[in-house]
Formats: sequence, C-alpha cells, structure tokens
Amino acid sequence: RKEVEQDPGPFNVPEGATVAFNCTYSNSASQSFFWYRQDCRKEPKLLMSVYSSGNEDGRFTAQLNRASQYISLLIRDSKLSDSATYLCVVTPSYNTDKLIFGTGTRLQVFP
Amino acid sequence: GAVVSQHPSRVICKSGTSVKIECRSLDFQATTMFWYRQFPKKSLMLMATSNEGSKATYEQGVEKDKFLINHASLTLSTLTVTSAHPEDSSFYICSARGLAGGIGTDTQYFGPGTRLTVL
Repeated sequence: RKEVEQDPGPFNVPEGATVAFNCTYSNSASQSFFWYRQDCRKEPKLLMSVYSSGNEDGRFTAQLNRASQYISLLIRDSKLSDSATYLCVVTPSYNTDKLIFGTGTRLQVFP
Repeated sequence: GAVVSQHPSRVICKSGTSVKIECRSLDFQATTMFWYRQFPKKSLMLMATSNEGSKATYEQGVEKDKFLINHASLTLSTLTVTSAHPEDSSFYICSARGLAGGIGTDTQYFGPGTRLTVL
C-alpha cells in the first residue's frame, strides 16, 4: 500500500464550482500534513498546512481526520487559475524533515 | 523571501556523461537541502538529504555513488549524476530549509527543477 494515496483525477469543473479532494495516509504516526500545488512542469508550491482543528485560507479549506487517516481539501468558487495538480504531503514521525508526496490530483477548471 | 534557484533548468546529454545540478538558497541560509526526483505522472520521491558540511543521507534504493551530493556551504548544494543513462532522465528538484529562527524554517522551499534528458 502506498504511504499517501490520492485519486489522480482529472476533476473537470466549471468556474465557480466547489470541488473537494481527499487523501489517505497509511502511517498513523504521521506528524505533519500539507497540501501543495504543482503546475505542469513546475516545482511544487506550498498551498497550506493542515491542522487537526481544520484551517481555512480564503477559498481553500483543509481538514484532517486522524482517526480515519485522511486529509481533505475543499476549493470554493473555483477559478481558471486553480487548474493544477494538488499534492497531498505528510511527514513521518521518525523524520519530520522528510516529505512524502502523493501522486497528486489533477484539477481542470473550465469557463 | 525564501527563494531557491536551480541551475541548469534543462539539460540534454549523451549517455555516459556526468551532469552537475546546482541548488542555491538565494535569500536565506539553508542547513538542510533535499533532492527529489519526479518521473512523468509520478509523485516526487526523496532521493537524499544533505546537511551543510556533512555527508548526505540517501533514501533506500538510491545509489550514492551514482548520485553524488555535495553541500559545501549554507547556500549551495550540488547533485552530480555520474555516467548518466536514459533511465536517469527525469525532473530533479531540490528544496531547502532555513536555519532555526530565520526565514525559510517553516517548511521546505523548492527550486524550479532541472529537467534532465539522457540520449
């Protein structure tokens, strides 16, 4: 089983739609959780950290469910510029410097 | 702040040659730099972690004699792919984490990546 699993998509949504991605992780002792965004042929960029209490940044909301070992990302009012691949990332407890990436979920927002 | 650069951005080489990729933290000092590799439609995979002034720590399955890493200063790490072969063609990305208490410490900041094609 992969350490971090994501639905690869693509998710094709119209502008203004709300879309949600889930991610599951296999190691219950995972320490930190993040969502990164990666545009085609570019480096990943940190979108937001994910906290147990949940957190929101503008149109983006992230949730963590430790009991079920999944992380979610909700994007409201999708923009064309949101089109990208969204990477779920966790760090193991034995090495919080190590980022373990999922394969990503591709989002395509159309006009 | 927390900008990381990589050079070159793209390289094409013949099989058997060696290729050096540089990773620099431009506006902060990085005690730790990381090297990743990403194949098409695959996730980023950590290859090695390098700390300034010490030997790199390689992930399982990564050949340290093939992928030479040097982290000679707090702002520069290099990855040399020795005797490159077509199967080494990939997107190589570095990241850096800053000194405790300084900028760039909250997470890893990624360079723009180097696309290596070995013919």
